[in-house]
Amino acid sequence: QKEVEQNSGPLSVPEGAIASLNCTYSDRGSQSFFWYRQYSGKSPELIMFIYSNGDKEDGRFTAQLNKASQYVSLLIRDSQPSDSATYLCAGKNSGGSNYKLTFGKGTLLTVNP
Amino acid sequence: ETGVTQSPTHLIKTRGQQVTLRCSSQSGHNTVSWYQQALGQGPQFIFQYYREEENGRGNFPPRFSGLQFPNYSSELNVNALELDDSALYLCASSLVASGRDTQYFGPGTRLTVL
Repeated sequence: QKEVEQNSGPLSVPEGAIASLNCTYSDRGSQSFFWYRQYSGKSPELIMFIYSNGDKEDGRFTAQLNKASQYVSLLIRDSQPSDSATYLCAGKNSGGSNYKLTFGKGTLLTVNP
Repeated sequence: ETGVTQSPTHLIKTRGQQVTLRCSSQSGHNTVSWYQQALGQGPQFIFQYYREEENGRGNFPPRFSGLQFPNYSSELNVNALELDDSALYLCASSLVASGRDTQYFGPGTRLTVL
């Protein structure tokens, strides 16, 4: 079973702090990774995607990928109460014709004012 | 807003009934994927449609079936509903079916089976 595991949380940080969300994956065939944010009762919203080893920055968000360690992370700088949500990590396999997303269970982040 | 729409928003059915959920993909997108998200879990892949053909299926029984139409909108049909089918059903559209395409989710349909 090809899995994506996320740190279970919940994670609580004060406003203005850095939130660090982590994810590991078992399928070495995964070539691309996605972070989605999901507010309670809503659908997942894409935050970032990353394909290559290293860091990718977009505003307050930085995604990190280490394919050798099969590890993906998302850093949120200057966390805001509006960042409070469940963060879903997903990987996509490069093989076959089925380009499905395999999701972790999500990490609940709470940013305290 | 992703431009992906789903209907209905909420649905209540009883065990054994059948349900059809609908999804309109974002303009220009030809691929639709369906996911089931149970409470407290990540979305689970049901199947994907690419240019009106099924392009892969997850670990779901045959009573879950689907269609994609020439305008790339899609339907998910579930027969013989079970209590465990209660979940948020998500449709995601993408430009093409590839390893690097980005999937954008619609608002979802909340299905409750009593």
